[in-house]
Amino acid sequence: DSGVTQTPKHLITATGQRVTLRCSPRSGDLSVYWYQQSLDQGLQFLIQYYNGEERAKGNILERFSAQQFPDLHSELNLSSLELGDSALYFCASSVGGAVTDTQYFGPGTRLTVL
Amino acid sequence: EDQVTQSPEALRLQEGESSSLNCSYTVSGLRGLFWYRQDPGKGPEFLFTLYSAGEEKEKERLKATLTKKESFLHITAPKPEDSATYLCAVQANDYKLSFGAGTTVTVRA
Repeated sequence: DSGVTQTPKHLITATGQRVTLRCSPRSGDLSVYWYQQSLDQGLQFLIQYYNGEERAKGNILERFSAQQFPDLHSELNLSSLELGDSALYFCASSVGGAVTDTQYFGPGTRLTVL
Repeated sequence: EDQVTQSPEALRLQEGESSSLNCSYTVSGLRGLFWYRQDPGKGPEFLFTLYSAGEEKEKERLKATLTKKESFLHITAPKPEDSATYLCAVQANDYKLSFGAGTTVTVRA
């Protein structure tokens, strides 16, 4: 158990809908990262937040947005969902935002868009 | 654009048969190169971070090395519990992370 929690574990929804994925980092960790993993694309970095501020942006679509709240939990919002958005979404956290800080991954949320 | 290529895609080993996984990369300023292990349906588990060419790190049967263009993950005398997908990632100076597609290792008893 990494100490990172993600809810829900599974999510099934329809095209065009909007969903919110939630992540609670390990106690004391200030950085949160979001990743998407699909069979054809592998693990893709989406976005990083550090202490409430956006730190780095990867291949995140405009239909997706994220934020980190004052209590350091984070939410990833996915809107106008398409079939291709079906994937495992992982959250990771680290103490800081430095490259020396180990990222601990959560168990993931499996999103299925029908 | 930063790129990470891992080879081979899959590796089948007999228990005790040592081998190496390759990760070649192009990145605009390397902050660090990471190795992760991922079991099916689970989140990646951190193994190593390497920062500069010539650096080596070891953990049990695993040893990671780094050159200016590639990294190797050596598995010495593997056991069935070493079966997993091994992911390589690089972090560029702009903090963006790029992952390779992974090498799936299967170790038979």
